[in-house]
Amino acid sequence: EADIYQTPRYLVIGTGKKITLECSQTMGHDKMYWYQQDPGMELHLIHYSYGVNSTEKGDLSSESTVSRIRTEHFPLTLESARPSHTSQYLCASSAPTGGTEKLFFGSGTQLSVL
Amino acid sequence: TQLLEQSPQFLSIQEGENLTVYCNSSSVFSSLQWYRQEPGEGPVLLATVVTGGEVKKLKRLTFQFGDARKDSSLHITAAQPGDTGLYLCAGGFEDTGRRALTFGSGTRLQVQP
Repeated sequence: EADIYQTPRYLVIGTGKKITLECSQTMGHDKMYWYQQDPGMELHLIHYSYGVNSTEKGDLSSESTVSRIRTEHFPLTLESARPSHTSQYLCASSAPTGGTEKLFFGSGTQLSVL
Repeated sequence: TQLLEQSPQFLSIQEGENLTVYCNSSSVFSSLQWYRQEPGEGPVLLATVVTGGEVKKLKRLTFQFGDARKDSSLHITAAQPGDTGLYLCAGGFEDTGRRALTFGSGTRLQVQP
């Protein structure tokens, strides 16, 4: 079983608030990712990291920022939340398996901005 | 540009029926993964195919990778209500320099008891 955790599971906040979504994994994986997903839709990569102090933006433009100070921790921050940020945010880490990467996902954070 | 197309988008069937879902791209995959996602949870990896023409069987699920590595299919035999969920394919691409997996839009499967 994968050991990757996201908190909070659900978050309802007002416009303009600063929020941080937490993601931690205990598997020692170097690669970590943040995906954004609207209900029943595809996952869009918004950030990824290859290791400590390495972060890159993904395919989908996002106003969020990330940091990777420790291998196990990959938090995502929104400085000023807006209703357009309402979505599910999924964190993942990966390990190489047979020439490809196997992703392990957290349970997600469902964010609603009022 | 949508790199990975999945079809059908929605599928509702009766318990015991067979079904196939598809994942297609104009680009060549270096690998192709299939995930299943239940509501309120993250996707869980079902299988990975890496070789053109590969067929992988896991109980009632059969995964195929096209010879040209541009397409894949997932076949479920004798579907059960527990198979209900969103099925996502995810590909690593050789020719785009992408450094992370790209996900398709998914097939939402509902199996009625």
